[in-house]
Amino acid sequence: QVQLQESGPGLVKPSETLSLTCTVSGGSINSDYWSWIRQPPGKGLEWIGYIYYSGSTNYNPSLKSRVTISVDTSKNQFSLKLSSVTAADTAVYYCARLADYEFDFWGQGTLVTVSS
Amino acid sequence: DIVMTQTPLSLSVTPGQPASISCKSSQSLLHSVGKTYLYWYLQKPGQPPQLLIYEVSNRFSGVPDRFSGSGSGTDFTLKISRVEAEDVGVYYCMQSIHLPLTFGGGTKVEI
Repeated sequence: QVQLQESGPGLVKPSETLSLTCTVSGGSINSDYWSWIRQPPGKGLEWIGYIYYSGSTNYNPSLKSRVTISVDTSKNQFSLKLSSVTAADTAVYYCARLADYEFDFWGQGTLVTVSS
Repeated sequence: DIVMTQTPLSLSVTPGQPASISCKSSQSLLHSVGKTYLYWYLQKPGQPPQLLIYEVSNRFSGVPDRFSGSGSGTDFTLKISRVEAEDVGVYYCMQSIHLPLTFGGGTKVEI
């Protein structure tokens, strides 16, 4: 069964760029769509964007100007970069597989705190 | 954006009793191909969300049959026939017919 694992710094300074990687195991990244979702502490879920293995992307307009999602098929990984972060970007960031039209497999999530 | 509105915000249930959660979308989730892109997730404490129901009423692999989904168009319901202790957490509905993908605000179920 597909497993996903997020990795990256847990603390980012304001105005800097948040960078996370999701490693996919138990299956190939060369199919389906791969997505990032975030959840501020104590709040609900916000879709950030997705990428197809070919590299085509789609982002939430609310974050589009600051988000880049990329894929490295040779490493079975995809990545998230979010620029010019503020305290409002503090959240648990999840990676997930978007199969057909639903998120069927999720990573455990990683908390990223934006603070100086 | 499609707004997903869940009610109630929270629910306190006695084990063995039924529970029901409503989700309303600001636009129809019925696609021209005949599918309705409405999903239900459960986020147990300290865990990522897990898929329960896809396309309104189909249980995902391994989901107990006490969970059922129904509805059409813009009005949907998740029902738990007999709540068990392991069902506690926050339930979210989600739509994927239109970008951006959006979630409801969540319904917290407590025992």
